[in-house]
Amino acid sequence: GENVEQHPSTLSVQEGDSAVIKCTYSDSASNYFPWYKQELGKRPQLIIDIRSNVGEKKDQRIAVTLNKTAKHFSLHITETQPEDSAVYFCAASKQGGSEKLVFGKGMKLTVNP
Amino acid sequence: KAGVTQTPRYLIKTRGQQVTLSCSPISGHRSVSWYQQTPGQGLQFLFEYFSETQRNKGNFPGRFSGRQFSNSRSEMNVSTLELGDSALYLCASSTVSNEKLFFGSGTQLSVL
Repeated sequence: GENVEQHPSTLSVQEGDSAVIKCTYSDSASNYFPWYKQELGKRPQLIIDIRSNVGEKKDQRIAVTLNKTAKHFSLHITETQPEDSAVYFCAASKQGGSEKLVFGKGMKLTVNP
Repeated sequence: KAGVTQTPRYLIKTRGQQVTLSCSPISGHRSVSWYQQTPGQGLQFLFEYFSETQRNKGNFPGRFSGRQFSNSRSEMNVSTLELGDSALYLCASSTVSNEKLFFGSGTQLSVL
């Protein structure tokens, strides 16, 4: 089955810097890659997702890139702000079948003011 | 539009007992998934239901079970509780399986 690895497990940046979170997946048939943000004590929320027929997607300060050949995808956050501090989870699934959505173990991002 | 509602928010049980958790999805969402969240382990998939049918099941023992009703509400049950079952149990609903999940606030289960 699918296995999603996420690294690093923690990242600390200064406000205004950029942050990059990387994930790798094992099943080349996976075609849907969402990212969820979980602030302390709150529920996970979808922030962006990408399908395998797209190489990059942007939404304001966040962007996701996908490299199908290397089987990895990354979340990029520019001009980080303290409210970006949270745990970020990547996930992968093969849509169209009955495959489950597999999450990485999460990365804790701390943005220092 | 009301969000995903999970009850109860907190539960304290002792080893050997059983527990039932409830999840009410967003109106119109037919898919309900359950996840176990523990520190450092991320979100571990338990199972997914779509229109009352279990579509997929994670790698958890048979003590973990679930069901979905005709109104899409879902319950999960854990029998013969163990200390290691202490975790935050999250459910999520969506219109399309696995896509754009909306999570509930979770049920924090403590097993003593």
